[in-house]
Amino acid sequence: SQQGEEDPQALSIQEGENATMNCSYKTSINNLQWYRQNSGRGLVHLILIRSNEREKHSGRLRVTLDTSKKSSSLLITASRAADTASYFCATAPGNMLTFGGGTRLMVKP
Amino acid sequence: DAGVIQSPRHEVTEMGQEVTLRCKPISGHDYLFWYRQTMMRGLELLIYFNNNVPIDDSGMPEDRFSAKMPNASFSTLKIQPSEPRDSAVYFCASQHTSGGYTQYFGPGTRLTVL
Repeated sequence: SQQGEEDPQALSIQEGENATMNCSYKTSINNLQWYRQNSGRGLVHLILIRSNEREKHSGRLRVTLDTSKKSSSLLITASRAADTASYFCATAPGNMLTFGGGTRLMVKP
Repeated sequence: DAGVIQSPRHEVTEMGQEVTLRCKPISGHDYLFWYRQTMMRGLELLIYFNNNVPIDDSGMPEDRFSAKMPNASFSTLKIQPSEPRDSAVYFCASQHTSGGYTQYFGPGTRLTVL
């Protein structure tokens, strides 16, 4: 079963706009991670936020975590066509990750 | 480092045939995971190893699936006999204990069973 669920399932925006994806999970976690998957490729780790952190930045990425609501959001600012991909949240309640169903992001040039 | 290496990248086989997928994890990583990804079911964890020992194989769909890790640098996932519903992309990922559970994925093997 999937621990994390992303919302929306699909998102289409214009280049230069911001993209926000949300993730909800069910059990307590050690950390939450976001991964990107380009079509036909493996998943690539983007960013990790620990359970005692509330916000984290990496380049154009901003991740927030609200453990009281068991939710996280990924914001991609000033999106580019190259950001077109599927984005997955993954939670680590224990020694392994549980992935959500992903958000398919399309950034139109 | 070359990253996680998987072979073959594509496999087309006929129903009933044996299929073997191979994975070389990142050197020094002590966890190895096998996943299956389909449109219908998303990304599913099949089995994972720690220090070459299978820890949790509860995701393996049935006895037709088996996985081994004879040493720290090699793992196989075998399907025998294969069925059309096994068609999917199979990913291998590795992780280091001190890495905060960050996993590094291989490029995947796209399996088509006719």
